[in-house]
Amino acid sequence: DAGVIQSPRHEVTEMGQEVTLRCKPISGHDYLFWYRQTMMRGLELLIYFNNNVPIDDSGMPEDRFSAKMPNASFSTLKIQPSEPRDSAVYFCASSFRLNQPQHFGDGTRLSIL
Amino acid sequence: AQTVTQSQPEMSVQEAETVTLSCTYDTSESDYYLFWYKQPPSRQMILVIRQEAYKQQNATENRFSVNFQKAAKSFSLKISDSQLGDAAMYFCAYRSASVIGTPLVFGKGTRLSVIA
Repeated sequence: DAGVIQSPRHEVTEMGQEVTLRCKPISGHDYLFWYRQTMMRGLELLIYFNNNVPIDDSGMPEDRFSAKMPNASFSTLKIQPSEPRDSAVYFCASSFRLNQPQHFGDGTRLSIL
Repeated sequence: AQTVTQSQPEMSVQEAETVTLSCTYDTSESDYYLFWYKQPPSRQMILVIRQEAYKQQNATENRFSVNFQKAAKSFSLKISDSQLGDAAMYFCAYRSASVIGTPLVFGKGTRLSVIA
């Protein structure tokens, strides 16, 4: 079975540009999570969805960040405009139920110059 | 809110030896799950082991085992017969067992080096 698929694997862009990160969860998983990982703050939950509906976005740092899940097999995390402090590894994860183990994608390493 | 603390930013172990990584957590809930994830340089997050709080028996997965002390809110990971491939960041994580509870809460991680 395919795991959680994220794209791109690496993204380098200049500050001020719009960045879109993509995620395809495991088929049949009802929950999708977006995390950000930095050296300073570790792994932080940004937002999670249940059945395509955002449940908790309290971890989204600013209005520059937005996430959507238009269908059960696709989600995006957008940053507009991007800033150097957004540089991090962004992970997407999915799970069958909220209290079931999460399966992580390989992450997107984002560098904002 | 739940918190997870890993007090050892870095650890090292000789190949074939045993190492224990520490994790403590804070919660007012009685039913929850605890996890250890491994993150090698490839960046993947790999689930190593899982423990249900209502189970007194410590979870074991091959060379990996945990020491779960519910009263002390401690959840350490023991790696036996360490191998070079065990070198990675290890994250301890907590999750409520409630279907409407909070998702995973991670510790800051412990970087494990394995010395040949």
